[in-house]
Amino acid sequence: AQSVTQLDSHVSVSEGTPVLLRCNYSSSYSPSLFWYVQHPNKGLQLLLKYTSAATLVKGINGFEAEFKKSETSFHLTKPSAHMSDAAEYFCVVSVLYGNKLVFGAGTILRVKS
Amino acid sequence: KAGVTQTPRYLIKTRGQQVTLSCSPISGHRSVSWYQQTPGQGLQFLFEYFSETQRNKGNFPGRFSGRQFSNSRSEMNVSTLELGDSALYLCASNPQTGYDGYTFGSGTRLTVV
Repeated sequence: AQSVTQLDSHVSVSEGTPVLLRCNYSSSYSPSLFWYVQHPNKGLQLLLKYTSAATLVKGINGFEAEFKKSETSFHLTKPSAHMSDAAEYFCVVSVLYGNKLVFGAGTILRVKS
Repeated sequence: KAGVTQTPRYLIKTRGQQVTLSCSPISGHRSVSWYQQTPGQGLQFLFEYFSETQRNKGNFPGRFSGRQFSNSRSEMNVSTLELGDSALYLCASNPQTGYDGYTFGSGTRLTVV
């Protein structure tokens, strides 16, 4: 069964420093992977998606992620954190021919001023 | 282009009652999915509808049901509410399959007392 594991439940960074949120996936074939962000009391917003076109994926708000098949990883990065990046981030894999999303447990990102 | 609209935003119900939540997908989107989000279980898939047919179903009891209308709008119903049904219920839509990701609504916050 396909799944994702987010390696950190909480990450704290200072404003202006790099962000790294780690995600490993388990899949028997090439997966479709996503990162979503959820701000407090809001729905989920798609940050970026990997669908086998390119291993380095650029998303919104300066985020990007690299698909590494050899490491079964799909880590999310941003060169410089902003206060507005404070939120919960979910690594997600789609299954059942794309019709169901399986979410990781989430990583809460805290940005310190 | 309007996003995914969920109504109501907040709801308080008593144990044993039933509740109906509504979701209007993005215009032209034919697939609608529902997810339950709780602090303990995270985000879990409830069901997915396409062209008025339930295409996939998660591992929830029969008290949770849904339907989709010819205009792609969807409703989910929970009967005989339990305290554990308190959650944020999120609706998501996409044109046909989720390989390119889903667009989520802001959710309905259900509190069962």
